[in-house]
Amino acid sequence: EDQVTQSPEALRLQEGESSSLNCSYTVSGLRGLFWYRQDPGKGPEFLFTLYSAGEEKEKERLKATLTKKESFLHITAPKPEDSATYLCAVHPNYGGSQGNLIFGKGTKLSVKP
Amino acid sequence: KAGVTQTPRYLIKTRGQQVTLSCSPISGHRSVSWYQQTPGQGLQFLFEYFSETQRNKGNFPGRFSGRQFSNSRSEMNVSTLELGDSALYLCASSLDPGSETQYFGPGTRLLVL
Repeated sequence: EDQVTQSPEALRLQEGESSSLNCSYTVSGLRGLFWYRQDPGKGPEFLFTLYSAGEEKEKERLKATLTKKESFLHITAPKPEDSATYLCAVHPNYGGSQGNLIFGKGTKLSVKP
Repeated sequence: KAGVTQTPRYLIKTRGQQVTLSCSPISGHRSVSWYQQTPGQGLQFLFEYFSETQRNKGNFPGRFSGRQFSNSRSEMNVSTLELGDSALYLCASSLDPGSETQYFGPGTRLLVL
């Protein structure tokens, strides 16, 4: 069964304390892996798409990497405004279109000043 | 450019009733997907519409249905509401089914009493 597992469920960091979030996946053929950020009471905000092992993408303090079985979201010197839930999703090969995304349950990140 | 809009934002219903939720995609976007988000199950794919046709459907009972209009606006309907249907219902739009990026709306919070 296709599955996406994110760890840890929750992460508390001090401002400036770098860390990584993990997304491991089991899917029969990967068309793409997506990272989203979700603030309380809002819809997910798109961050990155990764397509193949070894690929990396960066945006401000965030860097996403992909291997054959997992993806990491590295947060460098985080600020309080980075506090949010980070969601990982995969698009399996049989889905036919991007609509059929399988999401992990997310990592809730809190960054204290 | 206006983002994805969803109405209503909040809704309270009782068991057995039915509900209709509305989604207006970003102007020019023709693909609309619906997701259900709950604390226990996370984000789960409901269905995807493109050109007024359902392209993909998730593993939900037939009580959940949707449609898309010629202007790409979409509605989803849940009949015979159950307590477990309480959730945040998210709509996402993209240019077309092959697009890389889905943009999410703020969601409709449904509470079933």
